[in-house]
Amino acid sequence: DIVMTQSPLSLPVTPGEPASISCKSSQSLLHSNGYNYLDWYLQKPGQSPQLLIYWASNRASGVPDRFSGSGSGTDFTLKISRVEAEDVGVYYCMQALQNSVSFGQGTKLEIK
Amino acid sequence: EVQLVESGGGLVQPGGSLRLSCAASGFTFRSYEMNWVRQAPGKGLEWVSYISSSGGTVYYADSVTGRFTISRDNAKKSLFLQMNSLRAEDTAIYFCVRDSTVAGFDFWGQGTLVTVSS
Repeated sequence: DIVMTQSPLSLPVTPGEPASISCKSSQSLLHSNGYNYLDWYLQKPGQSPQLLIYWASNRASGVPDRFSGSGSGTDFTLKISRVEAEDVGVYYCMQALQNSVSFGQGTKLEIK
Repeated sequence: EVQLVESGGGLVQPGGSLRLSCAASGFTFRSYEMNWVRQAPGKGLEWVSYISSSGGTVYYADSVTGRFTISRDNAKKSLFLQMNSLRAEDTAIYFCVRDSTVAGFDFWGQGTLVTVSS
């Protein structure tokens, strides 16, 4: 099974400042079709998770352009260009390359 | 509007059984693969099971293989999870999740809480 490792696990950020979350996989997530099967999700307090980024770098519908995803193979990054108060919550990366999907441990973003 | 509404959660004793349901609306249910994902209290997300659009292909996490069964009724736009031999570690919120296949898990239900305790 593919193990997903996120860092940091806690991320205090001042509003207006940038933020970055790393996600590393134990195996390459690059499919033969050229896509990396890596998604990012945000679970806001008291809510269900919501899709932010799919295929490592594609923003889901309605996601603000301050969110961006990058990376390939085993190393991926989610960046928020300017953090807003509404961005608080837990961010998860997820690999969908294998039939047995797996998530990272989660990164809790909080406002300073 | 896409909606996924889970039901069937509750308190059950260890070794007991429970059947979760998910009612889908606002999209062509029979065209989509579906998943169950769970979240233990205060913990992260854990994928549980997958079912293809036709129901002909299913996958399970190792932690539930042999105890849980995923199924669907496309005519009734419903997804199910039959959970047997429940353990304390199965205590979690269970989310019904639409799999867009090409663009991630794009819609999640609000979840239903399963508590396994004596």
